[in-house]
Amino acid sequence: GAGVSQSPRYKVAKRGQDVALRCDPISGHVSLFWYQQALGQGPEFLTYFQNEAQLDKSGLPSDRFFAERPEGSVSTLKIQRTQQEDSAVYLCASSTPGSTNEKLFFGSGTQLSVL
Amino acid sequence: AQSVTQLDSHVSVSEGTPVLLRCNYSSSYSPSLFWYVQHPNKGLQLLLKYTSAATLVKGINGFEAEFKKSETSFHLTKPSAHMSDAAEYFCVVRGGSSNTGKLIFGQGTTLQVKP
Repeated sequence: GAGVSQSPRYKVAKRGQDVALRCDPISGHVSLFWYQQALGQGPEFLTYFQNEAQLDKSGLPSDRFFAERPEGSVSTLKIQRTQQEDSAVYLCASSTPGSTNEKLFFGSGTQLSVL
Repeated sequence: AQSVTQLDSHVSVSEGTPVLLRCNYSSSYSPSLFWYVQHPNKGLQLLLKYTSAATLVKGINGFEAEFKKSETSFHLTKPSAHMSDAAEYFCVVRGGSSNTGKLIFGQGTTLQVKP
């Protein structure tokens, strides 16, 4: 596709349920990032992949959060036993090789609501 | 550690008048700074970036920003606001090394443009 694609666009989960959020980066982008944006706040870094390698996961808030990118393309962010504080927009971004990761292309996000 | 502070959570201007969105940064070394814009239901888009070249940076849609080391500021300006400029604006600094692409976002400034 022409841009970063995220699915689903909206997700409603009951507290305690597991959810999986998908990100399709721009074809050829080796770097992929996940951010969490709470209502009225700026995005906060969660994790970073270079190809299939997860090089930085320092932003993951708890061990309930897990991200993978097994083939170096599509990535999935999984949240286990969701809590109300997990409600946020989850943004995925990818960047061009050799750009020193300066220009990120963001998807429209997945809005997660935990009831 | 790197951080940015956006001094106004909300700015309101009339169409055709100048725009000023203020941002101060904190960095232990020469920073890489960015402005991103977020329109409703759209992905974040890079407006401009500063990477230690010219201190006056021109971006898309008539926006520009000036890096002032003495004031640790990176304010965003536009001579004449357009209705389509209404959006959320984020001042961003790169945290850590360029290999991680870990961008640190400010809290955001909502720009309202009145007819």
